[in-house]
Amino acid sequence: SAVISQKPSRDICQRGTSLTIQCQVDSQVTMMFWYRQQPGQSLTLIATANQGSEATYESGFVIDKFPISRPNLTFSTLTVSNMSPEDSSIYLCSVVARVGETQYFGPGTRLLVL
Amino acid sequence: AQKITQTQPGMFVQEKEAVTLDCTYDTSDQSYGLFWYKQPSSGEMIFLIYQGSYDEQNATEGRYSLNFQKARKSANLVISASQLGDSAMYFCAMSVGGYNKLIFGAGTRLAVHP
Repeated sequence: SAVISQKPSRDICQRGTSLTIQCQVDSQVTMMFWYRQQPGQSLTLIATANQGSEATYESGFVIDKFPISRPNLTFSTLTVSNMSPEDSSIYLCSVVARVGETQYFGPGTRLLVL
Repeated sequence: AQKITQTQPGMFVQEKEAVTLDCTYDTSDQSYGLFWYKQPSSGEMIFLIYQGSYDEQNATEGRYSLNFQKARKSANLVISASQLGDSAMYFCAMSVGGYNKLIFGAGTRLAVHP
């Protein structure tokens, strides 16, 4: 399986600021996703990161709040904008090497907003 | 609507015993995939096992097996010979529509006692 890294691994941020999370894969992958896991909750898909075009957002998530980039087949970023304490979560990227194959997750970014 | 249900918020098992974690799903799609992931306290999501809707045999991966009962729409995870390191959250997930997007259940926290 692909090796996935995320930066930062954790951060503490002030409300009103923005944080960009990076996801790097050691091989080219077809699909990349971003998920959010709020404290004590399950994972919820934020969006599918599309290479060279705008991300596809799930219901309840908007580009202004969670802008996503995917400039190539191995890298993506998620920005959490104008943060509030409700944004405190683990943010995870995941990848699928080829359509229909298993989805693997990065180690996650733990975000605390004060 | 697609949905994953895990009815056991917490389970405990004695070391070396087997344990079954329940998962039921709801979808009108004919083609779908069922996954189990393990999340230790570190927060990473570790892929355990996959079952495709058209697979006739139950999936097995080492000590993990998936008891797939299509008519009952259940995909229970069986862990044989539990180890202390198996203590973690376990999530059942489903992909539908060939898009690889995952829908997660609420999770089951497993505690393995010596």
